[in-house]
Amino acid sequence: DQQVKQNSPSLSVQEGRISILNCDYTNSMFDYFLWYKKYPAEGPTFLISISSIKDKNEDGRFTVFLNKSAKHLSLHIVPSQPGDSAVYFCAAETGANNLFFGTGTRLTVIP
Amino acid sequence: DAGVIQSPRHEVTEMGQEVTLRCKPISGHDYLFWYRQTMMRGLELLIYFNNNVPIDDSGMPEDRFSAKMPNASFSTLKIQPSEPRDSAVYFCASRTSGRADEQFFGPGTRLTVL
Repeated sequence: DQQVKQNSPSLSVQEGRISILNCDYTNSMFDYFLWYKKYPAEGPTFLISISSIKDKNEDGRFTVFLNKSAKHLSLHIVPSQPGDSAVYFCAAETGANNLFFGTGTRLTVIP
Repeated sequence: DAGVIQSPRHEVTEMGQEVTLRCKPISGHDYLFWYRQTMMRGLELLIYFNNNVPIDDSGMPEDRFSAKMPNASFSTLKIQPSEPRDSAVYFCASRTSGRADEQFFGPGTRLTVL
């Protein structure tokens, strides 16, 4: 059963606008959350993370928000750029050195 | 460092044949993971090793799948016999303990079983 869910398989956004990617999880034991970015024919690469003791983490154009009560996190990209077009995976772990991934959301930024 | 190395990058085989995927983790990483990416299930963890010892293989779909890590610099994932439903991209990843944000993935092996 999927413990990490990304219900939107795809998202299209105009260049310069905000991209919001969403992720839900079911396991309350998750204490660390990550977003990975994947380009075609490449492996996923780490983008940004957040600990469960925080509700927000920012790195340049990327911000991750965590709502523990709702078991929901989101990734905001502002402003979106064509180079951001990729598949984004949400992941979570319990501290057992084992990441659980979602199914991914394909972001397309339209120039 | 060259990163996580996987071979082959593409594999096309016929149903019933044995397939072996290979992975060289980043030197010094003590965890190695095998994942499978499909449209329906995203990135699924198949098995992971710590210090060359298999820790959790609950994600291995069935007995046709096996994985080994004979030393710290090499791991294999074998499918025997292969079936068309095994067609997917298989990723290897490595990391050190406690550093999820430093889990690095290889480029993947795209497997097609005809």
